[in-house]
Amino acid sequence: KNEVEQSPQNLTAQEGEFITINCSYSVGISALHWLQQHPGGGIVSLFMLSSGKKKHGRLIATINIQEKHSSLHITASHPRDSAVYICAVKSMRTDKLIFGTGTRLQVFP
Amino acid sequence: NAGVMQNPRHLVRRRGQEARLRCSPMKGHSHVYWYRQLPEEGLKFMVYLQKENIIDESGMPKERFSAEFPKEGPSILRIQQVVRGDSAAYFCASSPLAGSYNSPLHFGNGTRLTVT
Repeated sequence: KNEVEQSPQNLTAQEGEFITINCSYSVGISALHWLQQHPGGGIVSLFMLSSGKKKHGRLIATINIQEKHSSLHITASHPRDSAVYICAVKSMRTDKLIFGTGTRLQVFP
Repeated sequence: NAGVMQNPRHLVRRRGQEARLRCSPMKGHSHVYWYRQLPEEGLKFMVYLQKENIIDESGMPKERFSAEFPKEGPSILRIQQVVRGDSAAYFCASSPLAGSYNSPLHFGNGTRLTVT
């Protein structure tokens, strides 16, 4: 079992829909990152959080440390949101990032 | 303020050749991380360097792979005698602070290595 699990693996949505991507992890962490990767492109850091909730534009990230779970929400989704969203946790034991395999999101107009 | 710069973006090598991947961190960042993304897999940590020091290379294959971050110039990830299994996207990230949980990471656009 992977130390970081994301669901769903693939997600399609109509423009305007509310999107939720989930991340569960099994190790002790000091921080959790949400990253965005466009096809053939680089990786952009969206959020880094260690507790509570953060919001940036139409993106919201939450984390529940007790339940070892985080969610990334996209409100009013748009085709330009189509990308792979990656959850990564910083292991408290090794101080290294452990990555999920990503959620591929496609938003259709 | 330029971001993390990686070059080349695409690199094609024949089996047995050497591949050199370069990463210039963001201005003011002295910590560099290399990650590998195999097709259809998640990113995996390879090595963590500070200027002139390898801090953690526990993710690097024992043979053919090496990394450096000299006092002057970019960080280099070097793969000798490449094999088809080395085909992957290699990402570099930099941060200003060492190991701190509140230190954000800035990624480059990656180098896509294809071994023919």
